[in-house]
Amino acid sequence: DSGVTQTPKHLITATGQRVTLRCSPRSGDLSVYWYQQSLDQGLQFLIHYYNGEERAKGNILERFSAQQFPDLHSELNLSSLELGDSALYFCASSVDEGRKSGNTIYFGEGSWLTVV
Amino acid sequence: DAKTTQPPSMDCAEGRAANLPCNHSTISGNEYVYWYRQIHSQGPQYIIHGLKNNETNEMASLIITEDRKSSTLILPHATLRDTAVYYCIVRVAIRRGGKLIFGQGTELSVKP
Repeated sequence: DSGVTQTPKHLITATGQRVTLRCSPRSGDLSVYWYQQSLDQGLQFLIHYYNGEERAKGNILERFSAQQFPDLHSELNLSSLELGDSALYFCASSVDEGRKSGNTIYFGEGSWLTVV
Repeated sequence: DAKTTQPPSMDCAEGRAANLPCNHSTISGNEYVYWYRQIHSQGPQYIIHGLKNNETNEMASLIITEDRKSSTLILPHATLRDTAVYYCIVRVAIRRGGKLIFGQGTELSVKP
């Protein structure tokens, strides 16, 4: 158990709909990272938040957005869903923002999203 | 961002050491090498990381060459449960967000 909690574990929804994925980082961790893993793309970095502020963006679609709340949990919002958005979405956390590059990043077990 | 090169697949006999190589010739001086593994579609599991010196923990050993252009992850006594995709990652420096960029990894098959 990494200590990173993601909900829901599985989600099935229709095209055009909107969903919210939730992540609770490890106790004491200030950074939250979101990744997407689809069958043909591997693990793709989406976005990084540190202590409530956006730190880096990857290949995140405009239909997707994220935020980190004062209690440090994070939500990834996916809207106008398409079939191609079906994927595993992972959240990860670390204690710092990566300044020293030497602090470990721990991953949750992911949220399976299926768009039908 | 420093990129890594790993063989796409490897086999290892159960009980033997698994040596997984990784090339990272463009690594910068303050960038760490991380190893993760992913079993089926579970969350990536942290294994080990290092900067310059060799590192060892309860899971594995990490050997980094003196010029830091390559490294080897060693699982000393591989078991069937070590069958997974292993990712070698150079963690980007803070100016680019401190994130991990995953490549394709090495699919390790441990066979009886």
